[in-house]
Formats: sequence, C-alpha cells, structure tokens
Amino acid sequence: DIQMTQSPSSLSASVGDRVTLTCRASQSISMYLNWYQQTPGKAPKVLIYAAANLNSGVPSRFSGSGSGTDFTLTISSLQPEDFATYYCQQSYRAPWTFGQGTKVEIK
Amino acid sequence: QVQLQESGPGLVKPSETLSLTCSVSGFSITTGSYWNWIRQPPGKGLEWIGSIFHSGTTYYNPSLKSRVVISVDTSKNQFSLRLRSVTAADTAVYYCASGVAIADFDHWGQGTLVAVSS
Repeated sequence: DIQMTQSPSSLSASVGDRVTLTCRASQSISMYLNWYQQTPGKAPKVLIYAAANLNSGVPSRFSGSGSGTDFTLTISSLQPEDFATYYCQQSYRAPWTFGQGTKVEIK
Repeated sequence: QVQLQESGPGLVKPSETLSLTCSVSGFSITTGSYWNWIRQPPGKGLEWIGSIFHSGTTYYNPSLKSRVVISVDTSKNQFSLRLRSVTAADTAVYYCASGVAIADFDHWGQGTLVAVSS
C-alpha cells in the first residue's frame, strides 16, 4: 500500500494567516493527489483534485501544488470557516489511502 | 446534485455481520460513477473499504477483502455494505461516497456511527 504522511499533525493559526500543509507519499504518485476538508461531525469535502485543480465552489484562497512524492495545500488567508482537519488522499494505486490528517486550530 | 444517505443498525455484536445501505437520490446509480464505502474510527483517519461500479464490478481494500461484500440494487437506487465477523476495531463512522473517477470521492453521505459491542 502507498503510505501518505501529513505534517504537521496539527497547527495553530490566526485569521488572515497564510498556512501551508504538507503531504508526502511513500512512492511517486505523479499528481494523483486529492485534498479534503473535514469539520467536526461532518463528512469530508473535496477541495482539490489531481494535486492542483480546485473543485467547483471552493474559494480561491485554497491552492495545491506538488508532484511525485511531495505535495502542499496552501490557504492564502485563513478564514474562520477554514478551521478544520485536512486530509490528503492518493488516487494513483489501489487501495486508495489517506494521510492521517492535519488539524488547523485557532490560535 | 447527487445526495447520499446511509442507513443501518448503530450497534452490532462482535462476530456478527455489519450491514449498511446507502440510498442515492438526484442521480441514477445505473448511469455511471463509482459507489464507495469509507470508514473513520472515532478520532482517527479515513480508510477506503471498497467500491462498486454501476455494472456491478467491485474493488475492495485487501485489508478487508476477506470480510466485505458491496452490492448494488438498481431497482431501489441503493448500494450496500456487508462486513462480517466484526470486532471492536470495526467501530467507526461509515460513509458512503460517490465519484465519477474510480478514486475520487466527490459526494459523501453524512455518515453513520456503527459501534461493535456486546
């Protein structure tokens, strides 16, 4: 199985901060990487497909980059509704696997 | 807009079979897309359980393959999960999800908590 490792596991930030989350794959997955946002008690929502493609309706402050084994999700200016847990997921080879998540908390 | 809703018992005894159904609305299950089950143990991350294509072709996580069956009922526009021989480690929120591509989870149900306990 392809292992997905996210860092940090949690971070504290303020509204308006620029935040960067990292996801690393145990082997090259090209750009087959999706990002999800999950708020407490809710199902995940997909933010970004194929490493860099913003899902319809997702604010432009979210952006994704990377290829191969290293990927980042950046929130350019953190908003109150962005405090959540973010998961990366590889779509390169089954079984499809997720990172353990990065929890973004209010400072 | 496709909508999904999980249903099934919230409590299952150890060694028994967990059975859940996902009802799909706003989209015909026969038109296309992959129909998935994903779970999340309390306070933990996400695990893909398996998928079924509208044709009935199934794909399972090898870690669960020996215990899982996913099926589709086109007459009811539903798909189902059966996980046999459950243990406490199977306690989780179970989500159904759909995606146009095999490994993309575009739409999710709200999730249902299933506890395994005697």
